[in-house]
Amino acid sequence: GAGVSQSPSNKVTEKGKDVELRCDPISGHTALYWYRQSLGQGLEFLIYFQGNSAPDKSGLPSDRFSAERTGGSVSTLTIQRTQQEDSAVYLCASSLALSGEAFFGQGTRLTVV
Amino acid sequence: AQRVTQPEKLLSVFKGAPVELKCNYSYSGSPELFWYVQYSRQRLQLLLRHISRESIKGFTADLNKGETSFHLKKPFAQEEDSAMYYCALKAGGSNYKLTFGKGTLLTVNP
Repeated sequence: GAGVSQSPSNKVTEKGKDVELRCDPISGHTALYWYRQSLGQGLEFLIYFQGNSAPDKSGLPSDRFSAERTGGSVSTLTIQRTQQEDSAVYLCASSLALSGEAFFGQGTRLTVV
Repeated sequence: AQRVTQPEKLLSVFKGAPVELKCNYSYSGSPELFWYVQYSRQRLQLLLRHISRESIKGFTADLNKGETSFHLKKPFAQEEDSAMYYCALKAGGSNYKLTFGKGTLLTVNP
């Protein structure tokens, strides 16, 4: 595709349910990033991948959050037993490993009710 | 650990006035620094990076290693510059982690 694609664009879920957010990076981009964007908190780092491995998971807020990447391409961010404080926009970005410029998706707006 | 600090959450200026968005960083190695911008209802996108040393949309930013700063400047702000601006740091070497500051919302008033 032409850019980073995230799905769904919007997700409303009930507290306690699990959700999966998907990211399709730009083809050939080896680095993939997940961020959470919320008012007053800016862009909060969650996790990044180099290929299929995640050298830094330090930003995941709790063990309810997990992410994986398969085939060096698509990534899914899973939030188990969602809480209201998980409501935010989840952004995915990808980049060529050595370039540094990250290309962002349009985000998934998650609302936990 | 790498950290990016943007001390101003909000910045408001009048059209034609100079603008400076502050960014300070903390990192022991030689990082790459970036400014990203998010216009209303658009995706976050790269504005400029320190290694290219170019001016984009009239904006410039100089890396000051002594002060560990990478402030974004424009001599004459325009209304279309109103947006959220994020400073970002990428660690060097084989570490590709990209860390962002909390952002500064710039409003340029007519």
